[in-house]
Amino acid sequence: DIQMTQSPSTLSASVGDRVTITCRASQSISRWLAWYQQKPGKAPNLLLSKASTLASGVPSRFSGSGSGTEFTLTISGLQPDDFASYYCQQYNTYPLTFGGGTKVEIK
Amino acid sequence: QVQLVQSGAEVKKSGASVKVSCKASGYSFTNYGIHWVRQAPGQRLEWMGWINTDSGNTRYSEKFQGRVTITRDTSASTAYMELSSLRSEDTAVYYCARTQPVAGSIYFDGWGQGTLVTVSS
Repeated sequence: DIQMTQSPSTLSASVGDRVTITCRASQSISRWLAWYQQKPGKAPNLLLSKASTLASGVPSRFSGSGSGTEFTLTISGLQPDDFASYYCQQYNTYPLTFGGGTKVEIK
Repeated sequence: QVQLVQSGAEVKKSGASVKVSCKASGYSFTNYGIHWVRQAPGQRLEWMGWINTDSGNTRYSEKFQGRVTITRDTSASTAYMELSSLRSEDTAVYYCARTQPVAGSIYFDGWGQGTLVTVSS
């Protein structure tokens, strides 16, 4: 199975900050990576697919980059609604696997 | 709009089975795959398997092979996930999620609200 490792596991930031979350795959997944946002007690919500393609309705302050084994999710100008957990997911190979998550907290 | 509505919370004894439903609306059910993903308390999301809602073909994670069965009823636009031989480690929120019909696009653009399954001894 492809292991997905996210860092950091927790991130403290303030409104307006630029934050970056990293996701590493245990083997190359080309650009077959998605990012999700999840709020407590809610289902995940798709942010980006194919590493950098913004999902419908997602604000442009969210962006993604990377290929192969290293990927980043960047939030440019953190908003109050962005304090949540973020997960990456590889879809290069079955079984589909997720990162361990990054919780973005208020500083 | 796209909606996936799951059945309600369940409490089961160890060794029992549970069947969770996922009713789709707002789109053509057989045009999109349905996957099942679970999240144990404080744990990462874990993919369990999926069903091609058109053909009925399924694929399961090896971790759950033999214990999980995913089915669908196209007339009711509903998918089902049954997990047997439950143990305490199966306590989790179970989600159904939709994938695009485009080959290779195995990411989830719609999710059910989640169903909490609690397994007690």
